[in-house]
Amino acid sequence: EVQLVESAGGLVQPGGSLRVSCAASGFSFNIYAMNWVRQAPGKGLEWVSSISGSDKRTYYADSVKGRFTISRDNSRNTLYLHMTRLRVEDTAIYYCAKDSETEAAAGWFDTWGQGTLVTVSS
Amino acid sequence: QSVLTQPASVSAAPGHKVTISCSGSSSNIENNYVSWYQQLPGTAPKLLIYDDHKRPSGIPDRFSGSKSGTSATLVITALQTGDEADYYCGTWDTGLSIHWVFGGGTKLTVL
Repeated sequence: EVQLVESAGGLVQPGGSLRVSCAASGFSFNIYAMNWVRQAPGKGLEWVSSISGSDKRTYYADSVKGRFTISRDNSRNTLYLHMTRLRVEDTAIYYCAKDSETEAAAGWFDTWGQGTLVTVSS
Repeated sequence: QSVLTQPASVSAAPGHKVTISCSGSSSNIENNYVSWYQQLPGTAPKLLIYDDHKRPSGIPDRFSGSKSGTSATLVITALQTGDEADYYCGTWDTGLSIHWVFGGGTKLTVL
């Protein structure tokens, strides 16, 4: 069974940093692209970033480009999102999602984690 | 303001049919596959439709998708109270830069 389990989020002050992770199991993690999607309280889904399976090509939403970094450790079957210069508007549930394809920007999101809440507030 | 436009809400009685539209452009819907996601209250989204019209294993055939030009449509027939959820369309936008786009979401109420 494919499973994605995000690490605990947390409360961070504006301007601070936080890294969240997503532990994957039940599939060949190193092959598939992976994604982060967020959802602000009471709002819709917003794509954050994607990373390819092998060559680790990355894509970012304009709202996070230059502040967030997506990465993966295929030896640990783990996806990361390193968030810096956090803003109040980054407050959201962050979901990791497995891609259907090996390359990012090619498929759809076939399995989602349960999400982790990141709150940016002073 | 979402790149893909969906109605904010739709409603229908149990047993009836609803249609949810998703309008985009040539840089997203027209030239890339559309997928649909169902988000039940308090839960993570779940894939409902991919490649415009295909259903993952376990998704009943009451759910169907289609696409024409720059618009996509999700149809749910024989509505059940358990279908009450938010529905999102999504696809890659391969215009000036490559990025994924979601619709703003449609809240389905089964009266």
